[in-house]
Amino acid sequence: NAGVTQTPKFQVLKTGQSMTLQCAQDMNHEYMSWYRQDPGMGLRLIHYSVGAGITDQGEVPNGYNVSRSTTEDFPLRLLSAAPSQTSVYFCASSRGKNSGNTIYFGEGSWLTVV
Amino acid sequence: EDKVVQSPLSLVVHEGDTVTLNCSYEVTNFRSLLWYKQEKKAPTFLFMLTSSGIEKKSGRLSSILDKKELFSILNITATQTGDSAIYLCAVDPPIQGAQKLVFGQGTRLTINP
Repeated sequence: NAGVTQTPKFQVLKTGQSMTLQCAQDMNHEYMSWYRQDPGMGLRLIHYSVGAGITDQGEVPNGYNVSRSTTEDFPLRLLSAAPSQTSVYFCASSRGKNSGNTIYFGEGSWLTVV
Repeated sequence: EDKVVQSPLSLVVHEGDTVTLNCSYEVTNFRSLLWYKQEKKAPTFLFMLTSSGIEKKSGRLSSILDKKELFSILNITATQTGDSAIYLCAVDPPIQGAQKLVFGQGTRLTINP
């Protein structure tokens, strides 16, 4: 049971570098999203998608891009990494709008920007 | 702006104690309030609460929602070291859907043997 798979699990970047966090789900879920988690701040929504070809901004979208060319994949791109983007990133997916108790989270990607 | 506040932020107790974690929110309207447990990695689902005054229970854990006073509590009785984790509360605003959860800061619970 793969569920939601995120890669890489750990990454160190230099300021100004770009990179892509990969997220894939094999449950044919419509909804996918990216959150970041910082100490003392819970999870904050970066971007989300309600289906292939449709994306929208969350609470903290600046410095990140997303695309949803297929139902399965929802990559998160950091355009020019900054130390403020040091965080733990979680990808999540669910069947649809009324699925609060069936949101599946990936295991997280720990990103450090130096 | 929707806001969820959890208290306390950190709690250390001894095994066997009972704990109560609090979640208050400033959300005009929402579909559900959710509790998650987060150990080392991804949050895992505990409860979804949609109606005021109805307790949800799972083993030693229980939770209740008060929509009038805008808060929820999560109780854990006879705590065990395996209950050590961060407990997250989140609300699911209407219309936007389950993918736009608003999370509180989390309560870090430590159970000492």
